[in-house]
Amino acid sequence: GAGVSQSPSNKVTEKGKDVELRCDPISGHTALYWYRQRLGQGLEFLIYFQGNSAPDKSGLPSDRFSAERTGESVSTLTIQRTQQEDSAVYLCASSPGRQRVGDTQYFGPGTRLTVL
Amino acid sequence: GEDVEQSLFLSVREGDSSVINCTYTDSSSTYLYWYKQEPGAGLQLLTYIFSNMDMKQDQRLTVLLNKKDKHLSLRIADTQTGDSAIYFCADFNDYKLSFGAGTTVTVRA
Repeated sequence: GAGVSQSPSNKVTEKGKDVELRCDPISGHTALYWYRQRLGQGLEFLIYFQGNSAPDKSGLPSDRFSAERTGESVSTLTIQRTQQEDSAVYLCASSPGRQRVGDTQYFGPGTRLTVL
Repeated sequence: GEDVEQSLFLSVREGDSSVINCTYTDSSSTYLYWYKQEPGAGLQLLTYIFSNMDMKQDQRLTVLLNKKDKHLSLRIADTQTGDSAIYFCADFNDYKLSFGAGTTVTVRA
């Protein structure tokens, strides 16, 4: 079936503007993750959704970052009052959600955010 | 938090074997993963190993795990130009993946 999709693929914005990034997970996957990848670095965990449970927001770097997920489908990551240090690739992943065994995450292509 | 470290660069001649090394600190990791990222693309799952295994082979890929030393390696046999990419190791504990910074593999003719 279709993989994880993200939109837009590229976003250029001015400092201080708000941006919204979208992720469509694999159908049937109950778990969804957002990561940030700065240039030349590994992935940094941002937030995790699992079904109807309260999300784990422990990775969000500041209160300018928020994310929502509607049921077990689409998620949006919102960054308010963007700063230049927010420039990065934002990756979304989904997984079947079987927590007691390895729960392989499948990644989307990412959204490249550039804050001028 | 968990730390995952990898060598940053590897240059290999086409046809030779590549070995990418990774160390991790979380002794309760249940699975360890290798992902590949090609330029401008997302992460592609290559392979994974359960923490109670010490080796897994999948076609040209061999994963070795030394749980005592918390050392993971990925060997790519007969490396091809299409193997040029960034390779990330990640450990899985509970629901979180912790990634290394990635190893850039360059395959030269």
